Amino acid sequence: AQSVTQLGSHVSVSEGALVLLRCNYSSSVPPYLFWYVQYPNQGLQLLLKYTSAATLVKGINDFEAEFKKSETSFHLTKPSAHMSDAAEYFCAVSESNGNKLVFGAGTILRVKS
Amino acid sequence: NAGVTQTPKFQVLKTGQSMTLQCAQDMNHEYMSWYRQDPGMGLRLIHYSVGAGITDQGEVPNGYNVSRSTTEDFPLRLLSAAPSQTSVYFCASRGIDYTFGSGTRLTVV
Repeated sequence: AQSVTQLGSHVSVSEGALVLLRCNYSSSVPPYLFWYVQYPNQGLQLLLKYTSAATLVKGINDFEAEFKKSETSFHLTKPSAHMSDAAEYFCAVSESNGNKLVFGAGTILRVKS
Repeated sequence: NAGVTQTPKFQVLKTGQSMTLQCAQDMNHEYMSWYRQDPGMGLRLIHYSVGAGITDQGEVPNGYNVSRSTTEDFPLRLLSAAPSQTSVYFCASRGIDYTFGSGTRLTVV
């Protein structure tokens, strides 16, 4: 069975600082990996996804993530945090056909001015 | 606009009552799914469907029923609501990527 672990339920950074949100996965087959963002009282928006092409994936709003098979990790980064990045972020893994998306518990990102 | 539509947005039920959460998509996606979101637990898969007439259980199916008579609709039924089913429910469909609805916030008292 596939699973996702997000390290840190809350992360706080200063505006302009590096954002690093950690995600480790477990999968018996080559995974598809995703990062989603959820703003308060809204649905989920896809930030980026890995589907076995380039290991460094670039997404919207300058976010990117690197797939590291040896570490079973897919950490999300952004060079410079903006106030508008404050939200909850979810890492997710799916079967190679894209079915049965499994989510991590989420990380709430706080951006301090 | 194309997307996933969930109704109602808010609902309060008494323990033991039944209700159906509606989900409709107009993107002709074969795959649809239901999740519940609880604080600190992320989103957990309840049921999913790979096409009309085909459904299967996800991680937390107990207390919920689904059916898929058309490509467009994938309703979620609570036959006898319990306080443990208080949650935010999201429907999603998948073409190339997943599209999520805006959610239904359900409270069972």
